[in-house]
Amino acid sequence: DQQVKQNSPSLSVQEGRISILNCDYTNSMFDYFLWYKKYPAEGPTFLISISSIKDKNEDGRFTVFLNKSAKHLSLHIVPSQPGDSAVYFCAASGNSGGSNYKLTFGKGTLLTVNP
Amino acid sequence: DADVTQTPRNRITKTGKRIMLECSQTKGHDRMYWYRQDPGLGLRLIYYSFDVKDINKGEISDGYSVSRQAQAKFSLSLESAIPNQTALYFCATSDGGINYGYTFGSGTRLTVV
Repeated sequence: DQQVKQNSPSLSVQEGRISILNCDYTNSMFDYFLWYKKYPAEGPTFLISISSIKDKNEDGRFTVFLNKSAKHLSLHIVPSQPGDSAVYFCAASGNSGGSNYKLTFGKGTLLTVNP
Repeated sequence: DADVTQTPRNRITKTGKRIMLECSQTKGHDRMYWYRQDPGLGLRLIYYSFDVKDINKGEISDGYSVSRQAQAKFSLSLESAIPNQTALYFCATSDGGINYGYTFGSGTRLTVV
């Protein structure tokens, strides 16, 4: 049973527009959420995170929104740039139970930003 | 130098062979992890270690073993490789701090023929 779900395998947007990547989770013990970006032939790199005590975290062009009641988070990229084209992984962690100290990843969403 | 170094970067091996993937890190972190990535399946945890004396199985540990030789080194072994172990393997490290962020290596692409 997948605890972190990214239901869109791919997303294509035009340069300058907003990219919205979605993620759902099922484990109510998760209390910290992260987004990673991965380019081909490289390892994933940390992008942005959010604690469950917040509903929004912003870093430059990247904003993550968390809706705990819906167990849903989203990553907004505004404006999108061709260099943002990559696979984006949603990940979650918790402070108790079986998820302690380990990140659980979603399957990833391939974002393509067209010039 | 990279914070997390994986060797080899690419490897083709035959079914039944033993193979070891190596990982070293210079971040001074206690926690190290091995993940595999398969198309459409994302990143799945194989093994993790919180310190030199601590080794734990992840969600897909069957067919794999690990060794934590030192704080900085964590190797993954396939005792008898099989074709469905063909994948991209990533090593990662973390300090377990509040961000829970991992630093990943560049990966090892393993093909079992």
